[in-house]
Amino acid sequence: QSVLTQPPSVSGAPGQRVTISCTGSSSNIGAGYDVHWYQQLPGTAPKLLIYGNSNRPSGVPDRFSGSKSGTSASLAITGLQAEDEADYYCQSCDSSLSAWVFGGGTKLTVL
Amino acid sequence: QITLKESGPTLVKPTQTLTLTCTFSGFSLSISGVGVGWIRQPPGKALEWLALIYWDDDKRYSPSLKSRLTITKDTSKNQVVLTMTNMDPVDTATYYCVHRLGGIYAFDIWGQGTMVTVSS
Repeated sequence: QSVLTQPPSVSGAPGQRVTISCTGSSSNIGAGYDVHWYQQLPGTAPKLLIYGNSNRPSGVPDRFSGSKSGTSASLAITGLQAEDEADYYCQSCDSSLSAWVFGGGTKLTVL
Repeated sequence: QITLKESGPTLVKPTQTLTLTCTFSGFSLSISGVGVGWIRQPPGKALEWLALIYWDDDKRYSPSLKSRLTITKDTSKNQVVLTMTNMDPVDTATYYCVHRLGGIYAFDIWGQGTMVTVSS
């Protein structure tokens, strides 16, 4: 049972827009901690995709964007491409646990 | 360019102690704000943060595993070592070494990971 809740799977056709939600609580996202997103392609290590809620590291396409509101955050991917098929994880910090926490992951399928 | 690489046994027996070493390059763990941590991922499951050590030797542990974990650093060797005692088959996972992005509680660089199987 992950501290942050994500949908197990989402899907979309090439060119479409998809969003992945990440729901937390008053001790993590709602407490003001930033949300970060990671992309894990099959058989590889995760890669930082979005940091500080909405910032993209160098090299990440602007098709990827993040937002945060209240106790939730979202990752949006526009212009879906086959290469975006991967697992996506949100991450934040939790003051009650004094720990870095992850969501359960969302598998994105490009139809 | 920052790189991290994990090393250690691929197979351990139940009740044994696991020792993993992270050897890194491209940064110094003596610089203010820098941190190196460990994250694991059981096969087909989600990521789980384990531990992190800061440049000033401040150490943080997952509350659920704190009694079993020890993280140390050797700045001169550019290494961070994680030990986990009393290994169990549920600890079978890929273990990743990560660099904490300075000033932000995110992990910007990941090692390739090392798969550890716990079995008799």
